[in-house]
Amino acid sequence: SQQGEEDPQALSIQEGENATMNCSYKTSINNLQWYRQNSGRGLVHLILIRSNEREKHSGRLRVTLDTSKKSSSLLITASRAADTASYFCAIETSGSRLTFGEGTQLTVNP
Amino acid sequence: DAGVIQSPRHEVTEMGQEVTLRCKPISGHNSLFWYRQTMMRGLELLIYFNNNVPIDDSGMPEDRFSAKMPNASFSTLKIQPSEPRDSAVYFCASSSTGGTEAFFGQGTRLTVV
Repeated sequence: SQQGEEDPQALSIQEGENATMNCSYKTSINNLQWYRQNSGRGLVHLILIRSNEREKHSGRLRVTLDTSKKSSSLLITASRAADTASYFCAIETSGSRLTFGEGTQLTVNP
Repeated sequence: DAGVIQSPRHEVTEMGQEVTLRCKPISGHNSLFWYRQTMMRGLELLIYFNNNVPIDDSGMPEDRFSAKMPNASFSTLKIQPSEPRDSAVYFCASSSTGGTEAFFGQGTRLTVV
């Protein structure tokens, strides 16, 4: 399968804790992206990391990419209840094809 | 820009009827994607277009599904005839070029009874 696969499928943490989600894939990529989806809404882009990059930061988000292991991780630091959502990784492959994994459901308890 | 606009937001139809979902991408974007989301199968890429040309429709489930992009500002996804297993949320997304983020519409929730 070309699409990314996230783990864990579900993650429940307390407010203030860090949340780490992982994504693995099987093909060569142009870039890897992370998206967030609140229940019943469309997906919202969080961060994009290119295949020649190893780490990227955006606010409380930190993304790493290891192309040799074909894996990526998303770290959300100092989580808040408002971070509760589903998080998806997406890989862009040749021809701008963008496919998504099955997502991680994150619950941050106040 | 108002973002990616999908219509209708909700559609309930009877089995066997034709369903047409519509999408207006963000102006200036040249890639458009159609996805289907279900609990069982997650977010599936159905088809995508670059510069109004279908590039990969391998995700289209069967011949009952068809998609068109007659111009840069409009795309349709048609299901004919519809079946209960087509019930899902259908998303349209657009991006400016490869290597950039995709912007999603709010989706169309389709229920086929």
